[in-house]
Amino acid sequence: EDKVVQSPLSLVVHEGDTVTLNCSYEVTNFRSLLWYKQEKKAPTFLFMLTSSGIEKKSGRLSSILDKKELFSILNITATQTGDSAVYLCAVRNNAGNMLTFGGGTRLMVKP
Amino acid sequence: DAGVIQSPRHEVTEMGQEVTLRCKPISGHDYLFWYRQTMMRGLELLIYFNNNVPIDDSGMPEDRFSAKMPNASFSTLKIQPSEPRDSAVYFCASSLAGASPLHFGNGTRLTVT
Repeated sequence: EDKVVQSPLSLVVHEGDTVTLNCSYEVTNFRSLLWYKQEKKAPTFLFMLTSSGIEKKSGRLSSILDKKELFSILNITATQTGDSAVYLCAVRNNAGNMLTFGGGTRLMVKP
Repeated sequence: DAGVIQSPRHEVTEMGQEVTLRCKPISGHDYLFWYRQTMMRGLELLIYFNNNVPIDDSGMPEDRFSAKMPNASFSTLKIQPSEPRDSAVYFCASSLAGASPLHFGNGTRLTVT
């Protein structure tokens, strides 16, 4: 059974801080790892990673995958209050097309 | 694109009643997924369809749960009879192809009293 563990469970920072969110996984026949941001409603897609060592970047957010050590990190620089959300990590294997999600990291950014 | 559309947004019902949740996927997407989210268990996959055919329903908790996809633009998740432990947010998601990101609807918050 595929497994995704995220850490920390929650995090409180001040605006301008840099944060690193962690995601470790166990999956048979890894296909991809995805990051989502969930505010009050639907999870919204951030990144999809398939190859080790290649950083994906979007504005102040970036993510990288290490397939040897089975983890990924999501970095947010110069945090803003609008970054407050639950960040979800999910993995997909080659056997099916569903995503297995971790429990999420709840980030709160204080002014 | 309107995105994935779910209805109703909120549903409050009494134990024993039938509940039907509805989903319209993004046009052209051929995969549709039903997830349930609770504080205790996070996001759990219930069932997913490819080209309207159920592929994996191993996450459906009990026979009380059933899902259908009669055509490419509509799916339902039914709970009959409902129980208080079914209270959760139910998300529908769709994707263009198997390797694509999932796009989620805004969810249906179900409360069973």
